[in-house]
Amino acid sequence: DAGITQSPRHKVTETGTPVTLRCHQTENHRYMYWYRQDPGHGLRLIHYSYGVKDTDKGEVSDGYSVSRSKTEDFLLTLESATSSQTSVYFCAISSVPRVPGAGNEQFFGPGTRLTVL
Amino acid sequence: QKEVEQDPGPLSVPEGAIVSLNCTYSNSAFQYFMWYRQYSRKGPELLMYTYSSGNKEDGRFTAQVDKSSKYISLFIRDSQPSDSATYLCAMKRGSTLGRLYFGRGTQLTVWP
Repeated sequence: DAGITQSPRHKVTETGTPVTLRCHQTENHRYMYWYRQDPGHGLRLIHYSYGVKDTDKGEVSDGYSVSRSKTEDFLLTLESATSSQTSVYFCAISSVPRVPGAGNEQFFGPGTRLTVL
Repeated sequence: QKEVEQDPGPLSVPEGAIVSLNCTYSNSAFQYFMWYRQYSRKGPELLMYTYSSGNKEDGRFTAQVDKSSKYISLFIRDSQPSDSATYLCAMKRGSTLGRLYFGRGTQLTVWP
């Protein structure tokens, strides 16, 4: 999993409670991403970060916030969890291309399975 | 209409068969094309990464991109039971921070 860990790996929580998921990387990559994966929808981008304290919204950002205070950690917070946020959450990382104009691959962590009752 | 379309299958083939997996897309700005393999309850694993049109081969895997038709393919030769997984196509526009657009994945089973 390319030096990426996610915690917790499984969580069950109740509607209305706050939840924070953590992504930790040991690759010193600049870019980090949070996706959710749901049946029938595939992977969808929630938020991403292009550096410490630099973040932006993705496709499905409502109800989520993120923070990145260190290169290696990217946190995803559900301020008040809802049943529609039951999903599998994946963190991904990518590096700055070594050659201008070249692509840069995204590598994924093992995922966090979140159930909101 | 989703920007990336992928038949979810399921696809079931015997061991040794040639497997063809495909995606179509609508955005002509996509330049980078990827295939990920995802085993059950695991994270997606990058298999192939290609830029623009053409073929790329890596062992038993060949990725093809036809930008004129907005069509990409992944071929698996001599398929093995260990190839049983969900295969996700993905693509993006720019080279650095570009968001990935994923297909919904095709579930493949290779039976002995």
